[in-house]
Amino acid sequence: DAKTTQPTSMDCAEGRAANLPCNHSTISGNEYVYWYRQIHSQGPQYIIHGLKNNETNEMASLIITEDRKSSTLILPHATLRDTAVYYCIVRGASGTYKYIFGTGTRLKVLA
Amino acid sequence: ETGVTQTPRHLVMGMTNKKSLKCEQHLGHNAMYWYKQSAKKPLELMFVYSLEERVENNSVPSRFSPECPNSSHLFLHLHTLQPEDSALYLCASSQETSGGRVGGELFFGEGSRLTVL
Repeated sequence: DAKTTQPTSMDCAEGRAANLPCNHSTISGNEYVYWYRQIHSQGPQYIIHGLKNNETNEMASLIITEDRKSSTLILPHATLRDTAVYYCIVRGASGTYKYIFGTGTRLKVLA
Repeated sequence: ETGVTQTPRHLVMGMTNKKSLKCEQHLGHNAMYWYKQSAKKPLELMFVYSLEERVENNSVPSRFSPECPNSSHLFLHLHTLQPEDSALYLCASSQETSGGRVGGELFFGEGSRLTVL
């Protein structure tokens, strides 16, 4: 599975968009990009995933570059409850089972 | 409520004790996972079961022994642990499809926080 690189930490003002980048330059053609977040001492929570098209759901948007070597998770209107560690993971087809979590980005939303 | 329930939420044990962590999923998923999260470290994948068969075992010491009696239940049996085994142990489940399509997202429980004295 491809390795991902994320900034260690970011701050965002409440009500503003939070843009969290992820580099996955060794991603292969059949690997998807997944995003999870972990609020302090809780289990990680799934946010969104995509292959090559941009995706949007009720939680966030995912923008994947055309060469698929990087992506950005966008929280359109960050709230204090969005303060968490955000993990970007790439994962292949079903049956590989290896969801490998890195160190993630610690997002702090400021009032 | 994620549909994945872990018990106990907190456990303190001595190095000579034997205890078990339990995970139950109510989502009808066909794969279950154990992860370990130590302080200031990323989640470490320990074991994966697919259709009750162990498919991943990431060089975990034998003092951790998993058991998956059916697709809804997963146990982690603990014996003669070390203080460095103190951590948050997370269970997760997913629905894996066949035919090379991407697997499903993970649903995590709240975790069992283990302290080894």
